[in-house]
Amino acid sequence: GEDVEQSLFLSVREGDSSVINCTYTDSSSTYLYWYKQEPGAGLQLLTYIFSNMDMKQDQRLTVLLNKKDKHLSLRIADTQTGDSAIYFCAESPLGAGSYQLTFGKGTKLSVIP
Amino acid sequence: DSGVTQTPKHLITATGQRVTLRCSPRSGDLSVYWYQQSLDQGLQFLIQYYNGEERAKGNILERFSAQQFPDLHSELNLSSLELGDSALYFCASSVAEAGELFFGEGSRLTVL
Repeated sequence: GEDVEQSLFLSVREGDSSVINCTYTDSSSTYLYWYKQEPGAGLQLLTYIFSNMDMKQDQRLTVLLNKKDKHLSLRIADTQTGDSAIYFCAESPLGAGSYQLTFGKGTKLSVIP
Repeated sequence: DSGVTQTPKHLITATGQRVTLRCSPRSGDLSVYWYQQSLDQGLQFLIQYYNGEERAKGNILERFSAQQFPDLHSELNLSSLELGDSALYFCASSVAEAGELFFGEGSRLTVL
């Protein structure tokens, strides 16, 4: 079955880098995603990576994918208080005709000023 | 603002009751997805519609049903409500059958 695991909490100081980790089980996943949820808001797509890539960088965000270990990470450089939110890792299985995403339970990032 | 509108934002009801949650997708999006977010289960995919037709079903209970209307808005009907149905229900939309999902702000259902 599909399962996505994330640690529940992460606390970092403002200006430091944050690294949020995720493991998944579905080896056929084609796309892996990171979503951000701020309090009282819906989920916002931050970035995604195709399964044949190892790394993707987008401004302060770096996604690393280790397909062999089924491990995905999101690094946020120069973390700001506005980055405080819940971050969800999600996978999309190969062959699905839709984006039936399987989400992790989310990592709550707290940024200490 | 994602462009996806969900109503109501908050809803409090009693066990055994029936409620309807409504979603208006982004203009031009043909696919609508419903997700349930609860503390213990996290985010669970419930169901997807594409251009009025059901496309995929996830962990949706038989007490729940949904539909997508010709104007592409969607409704999620929850009946015989139980305490465990208390959750945040998200709607998302995408342009095609598969594509980037844009989430609404959710409807928070509390069953007392």
